[in-house]
Amino acid sequence: QSVLTQPSSASGTPGQRVTISCSGSSSNIGDNYVYWYQVLPGTAPKLLIYNNNQRPSGVPDRFSGSKSGTSASLAISGLRSEDEADYQCAAWDDSVTGPVLGTGTKVTVL
Amino acid sequence: QVHLVQSGAEVKKPGASVKVSCKTSGYTFTSYAMHWLRQAPGQRLEWMGWINPGAGHTYYSKKFLGRVTITRDTSATAAFMELTSLSSEDTAVYYCAATGDYSYFDHWGQGTLVTVSS
Repeated sequence: QSVLTQPSSASGTPGQRVTISCSGSSSNIGDNYVYWYQVLPGTAPKLLIYNNNQRPSGVPDRFSGSKSGTSASLAISGLRSEDEADYQCAAWDDSVTGPVLGTGTKVTVL
Repeated sequence: QVHLVQSGAEVKKPGASVKVSCKTSGYTFTSYAMHWLRQAPGQRLEWMGWINPGAGHTYYSKKFLGRVTITRDTSATAAFMELTSLSSEDTAVYYCAATGDYSYFDHWGQGTLVTVSS
């Protein structure tokens, strides 16, 4: 089963910058766009980043995405308490003709 | 405005099947892919499969292949996900999510809690 690898947790104090990595392979991240979702308990996930580094309207510019080769990153600058959530990356995987999701990173604001 | 409304919570016994519906409105149903995902308690979001509502073609995650069937009713603009041979490990919130202008999961249903318990 294809899956994108993320660190299980990340943390920072208010105002700090936190970076989350997402590692894949040539059949997913290496050849396709990366997306990032914020997952809060009991609510539908929210799209934060699409096409590697684009933000939908309404997403603060504190969130930024990047991609290099078969890896991608999500950065949260100016960390706020409301950023405490789970974050998952996603990318299309040509080998399964469908998207694969990351293992998820829980961000804690200390 | 796009709306995806899912069927209500279900309680099933081990070995049973469950079928969750996702009624859509506000867009051309046959133009955008419909995905199904789930999130078990304390676990990450998992992708289960998707359907091309226009052609009816389906694609499934290897993890669920053989147990999951995704269908659609174009006249009702609704999609369905049936999962068979349920076990306690299938206790989760199940979501339908429609592709949009930005990503595979632009529009979400409210989620359906499926509890598997003897």
